[in-house]
Amino acid sequence: GAGVSQTPSNKVTEKGKYVELRCDPISGHTALYWYRQSLGQGPEFLIYFQGTGAADDSGLPNDRFFAVRPEGSVSTLKIQRTERGDSAVYLCASSFGQGSYNEQFFGPGTRLTVL
Amino acid sequence: QKEVEQNSGPLSVPEGAIASLNCTYSDRVSQSFFWYRQYSGKSPELIMSIYSNGDKEDGRFTAQLNKASQYVSLLIRDSQPSDSATYLCAVKYSGGGADGLTFGKGTHLIIQP
Repeated sequence: GAGVSQTPSNKVTEKGKYVELRCDPISGHTALYWYRQSLGQGPEFLIYFQGTGAADDSGLPNDRFFAVRPEGSVSTLKIQRTERGDSAVYLCASSFGQGSYNEQFFGPGTRLTVL
Repeated sequence: QKEVEQNSGPLSVPEGAIASLNCTYSDRVSQSFFWYRQYSGKSPELIMSIYSNGDKEDGRFTAQLNKASQYVSLLIRDSQPSDSATYLCAVKYSGGGADGLTFGKGTHLIIQP
């Protein structure tokens, strides 16, 4: 079956602009995660959805970052007033359910470059 | 502060040998452990998950977990050049609303033909 998909694959924007990154999880997966990966680092957790609600947003760096999942499937990560430090690869992952034993599968990522 | 530590490498191993990748974690309240492989420019790909002390084998890969020592490792037998990648160790901590994975920085593995 199809894996996690993310669009766009690359996004170049200017400092101060607003961007939206989209994630479409594996069909049937109820849990969805957003991570951010900078060069030479492991992925850093941002936010977790179980169904439509954000169950854990403890990783969002500040209030410029926001994510939604209105119908419990596709999710959009929104970044306002982008800064150069926001440049990274944004990864989405999904798992069949919540809980510690559910394996997370990653999408191909969106490379965000803020000029 | 929950941390996952890995030697960044590069770890160079001759083709056909056993590659041993190590990871330590800081918090005893942890339940699940995962190894991901990441090729340059690609996203992480799940290789193994392990939840109980001991060994878990899947093909050429063996994950080992020792919760008392807070240590998890990945062995790759009969290493192939295609195994050259960065290997990420990830830990799922329990409780406190921490639902995401905590990753190490990864170990860069090079298999020499």
